[in-house]
Amino acid sequence: DIQMTQSPSTLSASVGDRVTITCRASQSISSWLAWYQQKPGKAPKLLIYKASSLESGVPSRFSGSGSGTEFTLTISSLQPDDFATYYCQQYNSYSRTFGGGTKVEIK
Amino acid sequence: EVQLVESGGGLVQPGGSLRLSCAASGFTFSSYWMSWVRQAPGKGLEWVANIKQDGSEKYYVDSVKGRFTISRDNAKNSLYLQMNSLRAEDTAVYYCARVWNGIFDYWGQGTLVTVSS
Repeated sequence: DIQMTQSPSTLSASVGDRVTITCRASQSISSWLAWYQQKPGKAPKLLIYKASSLESGVPSRFSGSGSGTEFTLTISSLQPDDFATYYCQQYNSYSRTFGGGTKVEIK
Repeated sequence: EVQLVESGGGLVQPGGSLRLSCAASGFTFSSYWMSWVRQAPGKGLEWVANIKQDGSEKYYVDSVKGRFTISRDNAKNSLYLQMNSLRAEDTAVYYCARVWNGIFDYWGQGTLVTVSS
């Protein structure tokens, strides 16, 4: 199975900061990577798919990049609504796997 | 509006069984793969199972193979997860999710399964 490793596991940042989260795959997944945002007690929300395509309705401050085994999610200017946990997910195979998550906290 | 509503969660003893249901509305259910994803308390997300539109293909995470069965009834716009031989480590919120091109684009609100004596 493909393993997904996210870093950091926790990130402390301030409103207005540029934030970058990294996701690494144990083998090449081309661009078959999605990013989700989850807030406490809520279901995850799709942000980005195919590594860099922004889901409809998601603010343009979110962007994704990468291919193969290394990917990044960037928030260009952190807003109060963005404090949450972020997960990457590969869909290169029928056996889907998620990264361990990155919690973005208020500094 | 796409809606996914899970039900059937609850407290069950180790070794017991439970059947989760997910009622879908707002889209053509029979046109989409569907999945179950779970989240143990305070932990990350774990994909559990996928099922093809017509139910002819099913895939499971290794930890539930032989114990869980995913199924669907397209006439009732419903997805199911039959969970047998439950273990403490199966305790989690179980989400039903629609699959679009491999991505989980819509999620239900989740149903909590607690395995404990």
